[in-house]
Amino acid sequence: LAKTTQPISMDSYEGQEVNITCSHNNIATNDYITWYQQFPSQGPRFIIQGYKTKVTNEVASLFIPADRKSSTLSLPRVSLSDTAVYYCLVVTWFSGGYNKLIFGAGTRLAVHP
Amino acid sequence: DGGITQSPKYLFRKEGQNVTLSCEQNLNHDAMYWYRQDPGQGLRLIYYSQIVNDFQKGDIAEGYSVSREKKESFPLTVTSAQKNPTAFYLCASVPETGGYTEAFFGQGTRLTVV
Repeated sequence: LAKTTQPISMDSYEGQEVNITCSHNNIATNDYITWYQQFPSQGPRFIIQGYKTKVTNEVASLFIPADRKSSTLSLPRVSLSDTAVYYCLVVTWFSGGYNKLIFGAGTRLAVHP
Repeated sequence: DGGITQSPKYLFRKEGQNVTLSCEQNLNHDAMYWYRQDPGQGLRLIYYSQIVNDFQKGDIAEGYSVSREKKESFPLTVTSAQKNPTAFYLCASVPETGGYTEAFFGQGTRLTVV
């Protein structure tokens, strides 16, 4: 299983763009990169997933360089409600097999007025 | 509405007692997971199951037990052997789609030992 490393915490202000980078040096060919958001006393919520290059949805963008050894979650124009913990996961999914989903410590993002 | 339901939301246990946390999903997902979260920490994997009647230990399985008698249900028992059970417990399920791994989480059960 590929290990991920991300900053423990980040601070930002409302209206700014926030970029959270995750390092995953030993990512394998079949691995996908997935990001989750968690608010206090709630279960994590899926944000975005990608394999390579750039993926964008209505809430975030995910940038993955060609070597795939890192990825960057980009949150445009954050608001106070984006204050949460963000987790980066590298997942190898074996169809019909046992698939661990390992969450690290995450990045605690604080958005200030 | 499809979803994953955990009950109860809050649970109090006396020391030495076993308690069972419920996790039910109506999403027809094959894989189910149990995690433990301590204050200010990330999620740690307790047990996971890919199919009915089979499951695997995660990273912190000691003091816990599970069953998977039905596809929809994956209850977790916190036994008296778990020395520090006070924590927030989360259940998740994932569809068997190969590669795309969006996990759906319940709202959690907060267990407190009194």
